[in-house]
This record gives sequence, structure tokens and C-alpha cells, in this order.
Amino acid sequence: EPEVTQTPSHQVTQMGQEVILRCVPISNHLYFYWYRQILGQKVEFLVSFYNNEISEKSEIFDDQFSVERPDGSNFTLKIRSTKLEDSAMYFCARRISNRGRETQYFGPGTRLLVL
Amino acid sequence: DQQVKQNSPSLSVQEGRISILNCDYTNSMFDYFLWYKKYPAEGPTFLISISSIKDKNEDGRFTVFLNKSAKHLSLHIVPSQPGDSAVYFCAASFGSSNTGKLIFGQGTTLQVKP
Repeated sequence: EPEVTQTPSHQVTQMGQEVILRCVPISNHLYFYWYRQILGQKVEFLVSFYNNEISEKSEIFDDQFSVERPDGSNFTLKIRSTKLEDSAMYFCARRISNRGRETQYFGPGTRLLVL
Repeated sequence: DQQVKQNSPSLSVQEGRISILNCDYTNSMFDYFLWYKKYPAEGPTFLISISSIKDKNEDGRFTVFLNKSAKHLSLHIVPSQPGDSAVYFCAASFGSSNTGKLIFGQGTTLQVKP
């Protein structure tokens, strides 16, 4: 299975602080996603990133969130001023669209706890 | 707006028997449906997918059935094994003509008893 790695695995931060979550996919893929899962809830789409631009974002993805691919490999999600309700697991995923087959492979996630 | 629903929060099955996980959707424009398995504090693991132009896809012990008229899909696991115990999410996508974002159901916790 194609690998997506994420760092850090865990992060604890104070409310109002900035956090940067990182995703390191195998290169040469154009489509990436960020999702999150609040404890006990379903996995929710945040943003899709295609060819180094945001292609779609959800209502959750407000001005406090940003994504970029600063060096052409790492793919980051930044939360500028964290809130308590940002506590969740954050997953990066990459898309495989091949011969009529659509799949997304997820990273192991970053557990973010905002105090 | 729950476009993808898994109405059974949990399912308990005896080892060796069949597990059937169900999922309903409301948007007939979905192109692909996927099933993921998830353990706590880990990322979703892809299991199997099906295109909306098909009604069945099989991969080893896993088979997904799609009933477009009923807007319903199901995942069959045969035979069930204790290692299958996890949360199972179905997800839907608008596919290659769109951004491909996945819309998930709430998940069903499967427990396979030895």
C-alpha cells in the first residue's frame, strides 16, 4: 500500500497558539487532502489540494486554516490560532485515480489536543 | 446534511460467520463508494471500492454490493475473523470529474467474537 507519513504523531498546544501539521507523501502525486476526526465522530473533509492549489474546502476550513506545499514534497496544514474545538485527529490522504479506480490512502494521523 | 449514513453503530458476529455492514446514501451523483477499516488512533485503511457503474466488487474475503435504485451499499466479510474487529466507515465520492473529496458515514463498530 502506498505510504503517507505524518508528523508529529501527537501535539499538545495551548489555545490561541499556531500549529503546523506535516504530511510527507510519495512524490509525483498531484491530489492531496486533509481530513479530521473529532473523537467519537465521523471523518470530515477539510480541504483538497491539487497541483499546488486549493481545489475545494469545507465550511470547517475557515480563515484560521491554511495549506501549502512549501518545498514540493511536504504538505502542511497550519492552524493559526487554535481553539479548543480544533482538538481532533488530523489525517492527510493522497488520491490514486487509475483505470477507473478511485482510492484515497490515508496517513496515520496527528492527534492534536488544544488545552 | 448527512449524505452518507451508517445506521447501525455496532455489530457483533461470531468468528467464521458472515459480517454484513450497511450504508445508505442520498446523492445519486456519487461515482465511487469506498470502505475503510479504522483502529483507534490510526488512519483509515482502505479495504475495497466500487464504481457506480457496477453492482458488485470482490477482493478476497471482502465483497461490496451496490444497489443504486435503493441508494444502498453493503460490505460482506466472509469468514469473519477476530482481527476484523474495528470501526468500518463507508465513504462516497464524486470521482474523477470532481475534486474527489470523500464524504464519510458515521461508522459501524464490528466486533468478531472468537
